[in-house]
This record gives sequence, structure tokens and C-alpha cells, in this order.
Amino acid sequence: EVQLVESGGGLVQPGGSLRLSCAASGFTFSDHYMDWVRQAPGKGLEWVGRTRNKANSYTIQYAASVKGRFTISRDDSRNSLYLQMNSLKTEDTAMYYCTRLGLPGWGQGALVTVSS
Amino acid sequence: DIVMTQSPDSLAVSLGERATINCKSSQSVLYSSNNKNYLAWYQQKPGQPPKLLISWASTRESGVPDRFSGSGSGTDFTLAISSLQAEDVAVYYCQQCYSTPLTFGQGTKVEIK
Repeated sequence: EVQLVESGGGLVQPGGSLRLSCAASGFTFSDHYMDWVRQAPGKGLEWVGRTRNKANSYTIQYAASVKGRFTISRDDSRNSLYLQMNSLKTEDTAMYYCTRLGLPGWGQGALVTVSS
Repeated sequence: DIVMTQSPDSLAVSLGERATINCKSSQSVLYSSNNKNYLAWYQQKPGQPPKLLISWASTRESGVPDRFSGSGSGTDFTLAISSLQAEDVAVYYCQQCYSTPLTFGQGTKVEIK
């Protein structure tokens, strides 16, 4: 069974930083692209970014709204995905999910609140 | 960027009746080399993460009831619930996996009439 468990969420002031982690199990992590998706309170789903797999050179792409502020990384030896978020804005307040878009499996999410 | 537009934004359907949600992409999500539509449908119930229902526009995921079906190709897609059950109350999203940035529709809220 696919399991994705996010951690690292919390309350941070505008301009601050936070690092989310996602622990994956139940599938061969290294074979897969991994995505971060967020959902602001009461709003729809927004793709944040993707890291491809080793076979595709671990290329990473970001949504325009986070490019230059967020960094996605992965550690295939630990079956883990990360999201480093810097220069946080109030509009980054959301539940952050790790997933493999187009394939089954979502975590319960990590809530990030950016507020003074 | 590919813009995904769902209609309607919400709908109320009687138990046992059919519900239909439409999704239109601003450009084709049909990949000609493999003839696959890079379109997925998700269901999100209150307080829960999304759940993948359908991939490749029409392939139902394991464990998804057969009252859910997906159809369409190119730029126009439909998710149908043939006989609405109480547990189907949720927000439904379409999403294109054709090109980055990956994009979602705005969501369609399905309620019981």
C-alpha cells in the first residue's frame, strides 16, 4: 500500500523559512516523479512543483508562484521528498501534500500558516 | 500554461440520479505518440486529501466503484456518476499531466438534492 507522510508544517512569520519532509513507502520511490501540491483554506488545488527521477536526470520544475523561493529535493536512499520554503508570504498559507500526480496515493498533508 | 475549466461549479443531484461534470482544457492533452489523454480526475471529501479516481481520462483506479466513469479526448472531458450515492458528496477536480506547470480545474462541488 502506498503511504506518504508529510511533516514539518507549522506557524511562521512572513519572510521566514520552513522545510517540509515527505516519507514514502509501499512503492519503489526512486522510480517515480514526485510532486508537491498545496491547497489554501477553502480553495482549490495548486501544483507547487515536481522532481523527476534519476532516469530523467532528477530535473525539477516549479510553479511560477514559488519559483526562486521554494526548493524541492529528494533522497532516494531515504525514500524521502523535501520542500524548502524561503521568503514565505501570507499567501503561501495552505495544506501541502506530497503525491505522484496521475498515480494513487496522497499524504494527509502538512499545514503551513504564514502569519505575524 | 494549460488552463483547465470545469462546469458547473456546483451541482445538486437526487440520490440514485446521474451527475455529470465537464472539464475543458485550453489546449489538447492528447499525446499523439501513444494516443493517451493526460487527464486525471480526483475526488476530495471534506477534511480529506484528494483521491485519484480516474487516470488517462477513462481508466478507473482499483477500488473505485464502477458508477464512476470518465470519457472524452483532446480538450473535452466528462466525469459521470451514474447513480449518485450519499458517500459521493465531495469536490471533484480534473487535472492535466500533459505539460508543466501541471494544472487543475477549479473544482465542482457535488451535493445531494
